[in-house]
Order: sequence, then structure tokens, then C-alpha cells
Amino acid sequence: AQSVTQPDIHITVSEGASLELRCNYSYGATPYLFWYVQSPGQGLQLLLKYFSGDTLVQGIKGFEAEFKRSQSSFNLRKPSVHWSDAAEYFCAVGGMDSSYKLIFGSGTRLLVRP
Amino acid sequence: NAGVTQTPKFQVLKTGQSMTLQCAQDMNHEYMSWYRQDPGMGLRLIHYSVGAGITDQGEVPNGYNVSRSTTEDFPLRLLSAAPSQTSVYFCASSYGTSNYEQYFGPGTRLTVT
Repeated sequence: AQSVTQPDIHITVSEGASLELRCNYSYGATPYLFWYVQSPGQGLQLLLKYFSGDTLVQGIKGFEAEFKRSQSSFNLRKPSVHWSDAAEYFCAVGGMDSSYKLIFGSGTRLLVRP
Repeated sequence: NAGVTQTPKFQVLKTGQSMTLQCAQDMNHEYMSWYRQDPGMGLRLIHYSVGAGITDQGEVPNGYNVSRSTTEDFPLRLLSAAPSQTSVYFCASSYGTSNYEQYFGPGTRLTVT
């Protein structure tokens, strides 16, 4: 069965430091890959997505992610974190069948130290 | 555009009561879905619809019903609420076809006592 793993439940970084959030998926082919962000009490907002082509994708708010087929990974990065980035981040995969379903990871909560 | 709207924002039910969570979108999206979010479990798909008149079960459908009589609306019905259904519920929509990007509503926080 397809699955998405986000191995870090919580990550704390200092403001201005770099950030990498990990995401691994289990699927036989190349899925469609997404990162969403959820601020407290809010819905989910799409940060970026990968369908095909260049394996380094740029998103909103200065985020980027790199698809590595050999590692079945799609890690999210940001070179310099801002306090407003504190939120929960979800990796998701789709494209496994024709139903347009997304499978989400369990999320990583980012805390930013001043 | 209002995007995806959900009502109510908060709801408290007693065990055994029924209710309907409303979801509407004004983007003419074919695909709509309902998720529940529980701590440490991410979002789990309850039911989804690929168009008016077509619905199917997701990962955790038990205790929930859906229907899709129009493109715009996709209500989620709790038939007999149980404490295990205490959760935050999100509705999402998408153009479908080859575009999987989903747009989420603000959520409904449901407590069942």
C-alpha cells in the first residue's frame, strides 16, 4: 500500500537558520508530490508541488523541495527561517490511481526560536 | 471567489446525535473530498467525489455518509455520533483530471461527548 512518512514529529530551529523537513514515500512509480502548510487553527495551504521535470521545485514563501527518485524522498528546504514559518507541514502524494486521492504524512510541527 | 467554505466552524454533539457538515466551493471543481485530522495521524480521507452523482469511500468511511447532488456542494453526514468522531474535519476540492492540487476549507472542529 502507498504510504508517506515524515519521520520528524517536531523540529525546532532558530530564526535565520536553515531548515530541512524530511518526507519519504512508498510507491512503485513516481507519484505526484506536494507540501502543504497549516498555521494554527487554519486550513491547509499548498506550498509547492512536483509532477515531473526539474527535480528541484520552488514554492511560495521561499520554500523549495527536491525530488530524489533513488531515495523515494521529497524533502522541503528553506535557507533562512522566519518566525512566521512556525506551523505544521504536511507532505502528500497523489497520482497512484485515477481517483485523485491524496495520501498525507502525519506532519512535522516546526517551532522557531527567536 | 469564496473558495471552499465549511459550516459550522465548531460543533458539540452528544453521543448518538446526527448532524451534517456543510461544504461548498465556487470554483467549479469536479473533485471534492472530506478528511479528518487527528493529532499525530495527519489527514485521513473519509469520502470523495469525482463529480456530481458520484461518490466513493476513502480510508475511514465508517459512520459517515456523503452525497453529491450538485457540483458545488458536498455535505458530510454523521449518522450516529460517537466520541471517536471527535476531530477536525476538512473539505477540499480540485479541478480533477490531471491537476491534483487541492484547495482546503478552514475546517470544522467537532466534539462528541
